Amino acid sequence: QSVLTQPPSVSAAPGQKVTISCSGSSSNIGNNYVSWYQQLPGTAPKLLIYDSNKRPSGIPDRFSGSKSGTSATLGITGLQTGDEADYYCGTWDGSLSAVVFGGGTKLTVL
Amino acid sequence: EVQLVESGGGLVQPGGSLRLSCEASGFTFSSDWMHWVRQAPGKGLVWVSRINSDGSSTSYADSVKGRFTISRDNAKNTLYLQMNTLRAEDTAVYYCARAIRPGYAGFDCWGQGTLVTVSA
Repeated sequence: QSVLTQPPSVSAAPGQKVTISCSGSSSNIGNNYVSWYQQLPGTAPKLLIYDSNKRPSGIPDRFSGSKSGTSATLGITGLQTGDEADYYCGTWDGSLSAVVFGGGTKLTVL
Repeated sequence: EVQLVESGGGLVQPGGSLRLSCEASGFTFSSDWMHWVRQAPGKGLVWVSRINSDGSSTSYADSVKGRFTISRDNAKNTLYLQMNTLRAEDTAVYYCARAIRPGYAGFDCWGQGTLVTVSA
């Protein structure tokens, strides 16, 4: 059981937009920045978003992040088949004194 | 190029020990906080441990506290994870990761991972 809650799966057609939610509490998302990671099959995670809404260099602006209260959202526009992957949110939890992740969301591009 | 390369994984019996290494290159290793994150087969990411830049401060997930020890050798640009009293539930791919900035729970560089299998 993960501290942060993500939907197990989402799907959309190529070219469409999808959002992935990440729900937490005041001890984690509510008072800390959120990061998002993409994990392609058989590979290591890759940073997509940090500080809740910033993109590292090299990450296309099709990927966006937002945070409101104790929830965060990853948005992906112009979906491509290459976006099929598992997506994870992560942040610090002050009550647990630990980094926490969501359970992951599998994106299928139909 | 910023790079992290893990090694040391393998098959170990329950109750056994293993030491993982993570060799860093392409950045000033001694300036960065480092973490270990693991992923059991078919499961999600789970944070394991972190160490500050000079090795004077460490923290651990409750599930490994007292059994695992994180350390670093800045002269060798290498991060370590000593794992003792291993259990079947420690079976996972172990990733080392660099924190985006000191004290931050986000990681901008990950190694390729090393598989640890705990089984009789």
